[in-house]
Amino acid sequence: SQTIHQWPATLVQPVGSPLSLECTVEGTSNPNLYWYRQAAGRGLQLLFYSVGIGQISSEVPQNLSASRPQDRQFILSSKKLLLSDSGFYLCAWGTAVFSTGGEKLFFGSGTQLSVL
Amino acid sequence: KNEVEQSPQNLTAQEGEFITINCSYSVGISALHWLQQHPGGGIVSLFMLSSGKKKHGRLIATINIQEKHSSLHITASHPRDSAVYICAGKNYGGSQGNLIFGKGTKLSVKP
Repeated sequence: SQTIHQWPATLVQPVGSPLSLECTVEGTSNPNLYWYRQAAGRGLQLLFYSVGIGQISSEVPQNLSASRPQDRQFILSSKKLLLSDSGFYLCAWGTAVFSTGGEKLFFGSGTQLSVL
Repeated sequence: KNEVEQSPQNLTAQEGEFITINCSYSVGISALHWLQQHPGGGIVSLFMLSSGKKKHGRLIATINIQEKHSSLHITASHPRDSAVYICAGKNYGGSQGNLIFGKGTKLSVKP
């Protein structure tokens, strides 16, 4: 069966420090991978998505970057964190549901990032 | 105004009650997702539907494309159903994961 691992669960970092959040998927190959952020009091927002190794698309301009060095590994990074980067970060992978033309999403457990 | 609106924002129910959470959207969507977010943040996808009705256990999701409205129903609610329920619409075009999310409905089911 497919599983998705995301770590760490919580992270407290000072402003200006680097960031690396990792997400790995097991039990599937060539998944679509996503990074979302949920800021306090706001809905989820898509940050990056990847349809294959080395292929990254960004939905919003920001201080963060993403990389996909392996098929089932998705990394969210920053060279220098800002206060506004605080939030709840979720990794997800998707599998096509051909009957609807859509995609079923499976989410990781999330990382609560506090930038102080 | 958010393109995906949910109501109510908060809902408290007694165990066993029938629960309805509503979702209205103002943009054209090709599919609508219902997600469940438990305390601690983990999210589970409950349904993805583009027409009609889907049922899974005590959960039922319906969508009316013409009226741009979807509902999530929980029959015989239980305290373990307590969570935040989020609806999200998939725009035509763009990546599959680029959803427009509602802000969620926080459900508390009391024993």
